[in-house]
Amino acid sequence: DIQMTQSPSTLSASVGDRVTITCRASHNIRSYLAWYQQKPGKAPKLLISKASDLESGVPSRFSGSGSGTQFTLTISSLQPDDFATYYCQQYNTFSTFGQGTKVEIK
Amino acid sequence: EVQLVESGGGLVQPGGSLRLSCAASGFTFSTYWMSWVRQAPGKGLEWVATIRKDGSEKYYVDSVKGRFTISRDNAKNSLSLQMNSLRAEDTAVYYCAKDKFTAMIFDSWGQGTLVTVSS
Repeated sequence: DIQMTQSPSTLSASVGDRVTITCRASHNIRSYLAWYQQKPGKAPKLLISKASDLESGVPSRFSGSGSGTQFTLTISSLQPDDFATYYCQQYNTFSTFGQGTKVEIK
Repeated sequence: EVQLVESGGGLVQPGGSLRLSCAASGFTFSTYWMSWVRQAPGKGLEWVATIRKDGSEKYYVDSVKGRFTISRDNAKNSLSLQMNSLRAEDTAVYYCAKDKFTAMIFDSWGQGTLVTVSS
């Protein structure tokens, strides 16, 4: 089984901050990694697939990078709508999600 | 616009069964893989099962193998999850999700249906 580990678990930041979330895979998953945003009581929303491909309609302040076992999600300038929980997901071998990173207001 | 509407959740006793359904619209259902993803209260996301567009391949997370069955009816644009031998740890919101062109990237989600396993 492939394990996905995100860090940090919680991140306190202010509007305008640059935010980086890290996701580490227990095995090489090439670039088969996606990022999702979830707000309380809502379904997740796909932001990025194949490690760095931004979904249509997702603001350009979101970006993803990495390959193999180490990946990052970066929000270049945090906006009020971005306070949420973010999950990474590998789909190289079936599917596994990270435990989530909650981005909260500082 | 893609719409996925789940139904069938509720309270069930340990060892019981429940069948979830997902009504799909706004896209050509028969051309996409479909999946179920769950989220226990206050916890993270867990992939549960995926079915190929024609139903010929099905994949499950180890914890539900032999207990859950994913199926689809392309004529009715419908996805189902039959859940047997339910356990307390199956308590979660269950989401129906449409796969992107590559399986197991979930680009559209339903609103979820809550399954509670408790005596």
